[in-house]
Amino acid sequence: AQSVTQPDIHITVSEGASLELRCNYSYGATPYLFWYVQSPGQGLQLLLKYFSGDTLVQGIKGFEAEFKRSQSSFNLRKPSVHWSDAAEYFCAVGAPTGGFKTIFGAGTRLFVKA
Amino acid sequence: EPEVTQTPSHQVTQMGQEVILRCVPISNHLYFYWYRQILGQKVEFLVSFYNNEISEKSEIFDDQFSVERPDGSNFTLKIRSTKLEDSAMYFCASSGAFGYTFGSGTRLTVV
Repeated sequence: AQSVTQPDIHITVSEGASLELRCNYSYGATPYLFWYVQSPGQGLQLLLKYFSGDTLVQGIKGFEAEFKRSQSSFNLRKPSVHWSDAAEYFCAVGAPTGGFKTIFGAGTRLFVKA
Repeated sequence: EPEVTQTPSHQVTQMGQEVILRCVPISNHLYFYWYRQILGQKVEFLVSFYNNEISEKSEIFDDQFSVERPDGSNFTLKIRSTKLEDSAMYFCASSGAFGYTFGSGTRLTVV
């Protein structure tokens, strides 16, 4: 069955520290992978996506993610966290053909302390 | 950059009433979707729509829900008789060859 696992319900990091949010997926084919960010009461903002090619993808706001097929992982990283990064982060997976549904993980809430 | 537009941003309705959520997908996209996010939970797929018919639906999408593309630009989700547990954020999305875009959502509150 298709699924996305985000093992960390919440993470707290200090401002300026590095960040890594974990994501593992289960998918029968080569997946499309996404990271979205959501501030409280707001919509979903796409941070980055992986379709094919270079397994290290760069996104907005200084985020990057690395696709590791052998580990079925797509972890999100940022070298230096800002207080404004505090939000909920969702990893998601879809199919490489048109009309696919997106399957979301349960999300990781990021807290940033001064 | 093209956007998926959802209206209204907030809707409050009484239990048992019908509600229609509206979406304008990106113009050259062919696939349309509705997702739901109950407060504090993850985003869940409801339904996908292609070529004027439902292509896939989840078990959440029961007979109280329906979708329609009434004209060339709008895509709607109708909830026939709302229940308290329908309170959630509803996201519309559309996709094309390499693009998959979510709208900013409609927060539905059933009282």
